[in-house]
Amino acid sequence: GAGVSQSPSNKVTEKGKDVELRCDPISGHTALYWYRQSLGQGLEFLIYFQGNSAPDKSGLPSDRFSAERTGGSVSTLTIQRTQQEDSAVYLCASSPTGSYGYTFGSGTRLTVV
Amino acid sequence: DQQVKQNSPSLSVQEGRISILNCDYTNSMFDYFLWYKKYPAEGPTFLISISSIKDKNEDGRFTVFLNKSAKHLSLHIVPSQPGDSAVYFCAASVGAGNNRKLIWGLGTSLAVNP
Repeated sequence: GAGVSQSPSNKVTEKGKDVELRCDPISGHTALYWYRQSLGQGLEFLIYFQGNSAPDKSGLPSDRFSAERTGGSVSTLTIQRTQQEDSAVYLCASSPTGSYGYTFGSGTRLTVV
Repeated sequence: DQQVKQNSPSLSVQEGRISILNCDYTNSMFDYFLWYKKYPAEGPTFLISISSIKDKNEDGRFTVFLNKSAKHLSLHIVPSQPGDSAVYFCAASVGAGNNRKLIWGLGTSLAVNP
């Protein structure tokens, strides 16, 4: 597609439920990143996929968070047993191999009530 | 440990004046720097960048200055316009090939007042 697409754009969930967030990167971009931005905070790195290499999971805040990327394209970020502190905007970005710049999606606003 | 620091969380300027957003970094291995702009309910979008071998890059109303000895860069917007009101993120690039990654600052919220 023309840009990075994320779905849903908004998600309200009850505490303790699991959620899945989806990211469709730009076709041909080998690198895919997940970030989150909590209210009043900067961009917090979560996880990074590069081609067929093992993902860099160093930013995942707890074992309730996981992500996968199927076929080197679409990625899903899963949060199990959501907590209120998980409320944030979850941003996905993609880039070509070795590129300096990323293209971001519009994000998924997650609200845990 | 914040390797890229934007020490001013917010900045307010009058329309037509210059906006100066600052960014400091600690890692001398950073070789490329980028500024992104983010409007509410949208993802960040690329604005301007500079290689570590240069000290200035200009694109219309936007100029980025790099002072390597001070590990400091700044974004100048002149003249500022109300549509420039957004959060500006400084990012620094390190690594090579598949290991290249961006390290982000926390952002500065710019308000340009009419």
